Amino acid sequence: DIQMTQSPSSLSASVGDRVTITCRASQRISRYLNWFQQKPGRAPKLLIYAASSLHSGVPSRFSGSGSGTDFTLTISSLQPEDFATYFCQQSYILNTFGPGTKVDV
Amino acid sequence: QLVQSGAEVRKPGASVNISCKASGFTFSNSYLHWVRQAPGQGLEWMAIINPSVFGATTYAQKFQGKVAVTGDMSTSTVYLQLSSLRSEDSAVYYCARVVAHVSPPYMDVWGEGTTVIVSS
Repeated sequence: DIQMTQSPSSLSASVGDRVTITCRASQRISRYLNWFQQKPGRAPKLLIYAASSLHSGVPSRFSGSGSGTDFTLTISSLQPEDFATYFCQQSYILNTFGPGTKVDV
Repeated sequence: QLVQSGAEVRKPGASVNISCKASGFTFSNSYLHWVRQAPGQGLEWMAIINPSVFGATTYAQKFQGKVAVTGDMSTSTVYLQLSSLRSEDSAVYYCARVVAHVSPPYMDVWGEGTTVIVSS
């Protein structure tokens, strides 16, 4: 099985901050990496697919990069609505989610 | 969109069946996933079904023998059956859509989730 790790597990930030979240796969997964945002009591929402492609309707302050085993999600200027938990997910072999990164104030 | 059935409460040892009905997109050109989230925990992938092909279902090893996923093309609905329920199965269960034959695949449409509570 492919294992996914994320760092940090949580972070505190302020509106306007640049935020970077890292995701690492236990083996190479090419660009089969997606990022989701989840708010309490809500279903996850797709932000980034194929490591760096912005999903329709997602603000351009979100960006993704990486390939192989190491990936990054960046929020260029944190907005109030961005306080949430972020998950990475590999779809190279079956599916595995990372443990999540909680972004709060 | 994907619309899921309502919350369920079951006793330990019982079974439960959750539905996920699709609309607004081509069901026959989609794969449907089931993902579990226990209270305060992360997301856990359970299974995927290609509803256009009978028997085309793959399960995470952890859930083999525990869950059964089926689909009904006539109603654009997929089902998740959980058996021999334990308290650890208390969670929110989500269905999610992947467009068939897209690579890399990604879950772009999610149901609202179905809460299952297992309690004596």
